[in-house]
Parts: sequence; C-alpha cells; structure tokens
Amino acid sequence: ETGVTQSPTHLIKTRGQQVTLRCSSQSGHNTVSWYQQALGQGPQFIFQYYREEENGRGNFPPRFSGLQFPNYSSELNVNALELDDSALYLCASSFDRIRTGRGELFFGEGSRLTVL
Amino acid sequence: QQPVQSPQAVILREGEDAVINCSSSKALYSVHWYRQKHGEAPVFLMILLKGGEQKGHDKISASFNEKKQQSSLYLTASQLSYSGTYFCGTEGMNTGFQKLVFGTGTRLLVSP
Repeated sequence: ETGVTQSPTHLIKTRGQQVTLRCSSQSGHNTVSWYQQALGQGPQFIFQYYREEENGRGNFPPRFSGLQFPNYSSELNVNALELDDSALYLCASSFDRIRTGRGELFFGEGSRLTVL
Repeated sequence: QQPVQSPQAVILREGEDAVINCSSSKALYSVHWYRQKHGEAPVFLMILLKGGEQKGHDKISASFNEKKQQSSLYLTASQLSYSGTYFCGTEGMNTGFQKLVFGTGTRLLVSP
C-alpha cells in the first residue's frame, strides 16, 4: 500500500478519442511522474511534475499532456488516441528530492487503457 | 538507452539464492530496484547512488559498480513472497529532473 491512488482502473476507448487519467499522490509528496507500461515491458517515462510545473519529459508526443494541482494530485491527458497507446499508465509520487534527498518512487496500481 | 537485465527469468525453490544484474551503457547517477507482482504496482526495494555503495534490506541486498555502470540485486534464502518481476531503473547524470529508464525486467518464480 503506497498511498498513491489512480482512477479509473480500467477503461476502453476508440481510436481518435481523448482520455483523462487521475492520480492522487501520497501525503507529503510534491513530485509526480507518469509512466507508460506496455505488456511485458518495463515502465517508460512520460513526464514529471514538480510544484505544479512540468520539469521533465520523455519521448512522447505533445498529445500527451498533464497537470498537477495545488494539492499535488495530477492528471494525464492523451488526445487523438492511437492503438499503440493501449498500455498500463502508472503514476508515481515522490518526496521533494532537493529538500529531503530521497528519490524513491511510490507507484499507484495504474490505469489500464485499451484503445480499439 | 534502456539498461539490460539478466537473466530474463529465473525459477527458484524456496530457500535458494538468486542474483539479478542490470547493466547500462551510460554514466549513472543512481540505480533503483523495484518488484512488481502481477496486476499490482511496482514496489520500491532500494536505491543506490554513484559511489559504489552496497545496501541491504532483510535478505535482499544490492551493489552498484560505478566504473562498470552495473548493479546487481542479491536475493538470499528466497521466500515465496519474492516471486514477481524485478525491474532496475537507472537515472543518468545531470538531467535536472528525475527520469528513470527501466530495464525489461527479470521474472522470478519461487516455488515451495
């Protein structure tokens, strides 16, 4: 139990649609990262938010966007869905590494997206 | 660049030991280890920073060879609860933010 909750747990969309995934961080964490995990693969970094601003991005197109709110919860938005977007989307929250020196990630159980 | 993990899979009997390796071609700032059970979230095991340190937690320990950019995870006297997929996540130098690049994982099955 990491204290990170994600919703919805499962969803099915069709190609071209848009989706919003939500994440509630563990208390005391002000950093959130999103990862995409395809079946049988390791998680791939999408982006990271720190104090409500995106401060790092992986190799994902602009149709992947996010938000972090003042309470440090977060959203991942994906526009113009493609079949290859089918995956498990993981949210991970973490402590402020600059202040605490701690870098471990606390993952939620993920949102499994299927694009038909 | 994605780190390479070996072996891809390993089957143990309860009480046996295992070593999982993670190798990167890039200079690393840190190496993380996580375990993920089927249908569950990855769970943090430990983090090693550059400096060649070794850490341990109960019967699970890890080392980081900074010169070779390699890390190894040691599981001793394995328990049934150790079953799952183990991922190393590597963090490069001077990225300005925490981006982990995960390996493809090592599937571990511990049988009675």
